Amino acid sequence: GEDVEQSLFLSVREGDSSVINCTYTDSSSTYLYWYKQEPGAGLQLLTYIFSNMDMKQDQRLTVLLNKKDKHLSLRIADTQTGDSAIYFCAERLNKLIFGTGTRLQVFP
Amino acid sequence: GAVVSQHPSRVICKSGTSVKIECRSLDFQATTMFWYRQFPKKSLMLMATSNEGSKATYEQGVEKDKFLINHASLTLSTLTVTSAHPEDSSFYICSARVSPDPGGGEQYFGPGTRLTVT
Repeated sequence: GEDVEQSLFLSVREGDSSVINCTYTDSSSTYLYWYKQEPGAGLQLLTYIFSNMDMKQDQRLTVLLNKKDKHLSLRIADTQTGDSAIYFCAERLNKLIFGTGTRLQVFP
Repeated sequence: GAVVSQHPSRVICKSGTSVKIECRSLDFQATTMFWYRQFPKKSLMLMATSNEGSKATYEQGVEKDKFLINHASLTLSTLTVTSAHPEDSSFYICSARVSPDPGGGEQYFGPGTRLTVT
């Protein structure tokens, strides 16, 4: 089935690391993505990982994929106030299936 | 690169009228574009997949006669909400997939259009 779950809310202090988690149910996903949505705006593609990879790092972003547990995470190092947004994970099957979104709030 | 624009960004219309929303890929060609609807504090719901030069494929439960999609060129897709009603009020987001696919199947999203039907 197609079901992508995320925790609804995460609050972190500026400068700390943020870890946003995502679980999915369909193991036939080819790619998994992380998108960022700021208030009133569309989605910005942050990064993606191919399903045969375990980890991908891109500057402050680290994506970890555990295929066995169907678990995807996004770690943001040195979180800044500008990182405050909603983060969606998505898996690609024949279409993109989006998670429920995690609202990240960064406080000083 | 990979910028997708939408126009208008915000529209208010009266019940019963039709509204057209444009989605353009500005610096790349997109054989395939997607239209999503997002309710407040909710995830994105795929409405339809639009392929250049052919009819759109609608998701289950989406009325094709109400949400008309035209993908006339490799850089433009339009969504027309016909005979709009207040329940059609929503945030509509389009997305375009880079063509040819560089490998990641990336989709780039427009900034969205806020439709309010009074």
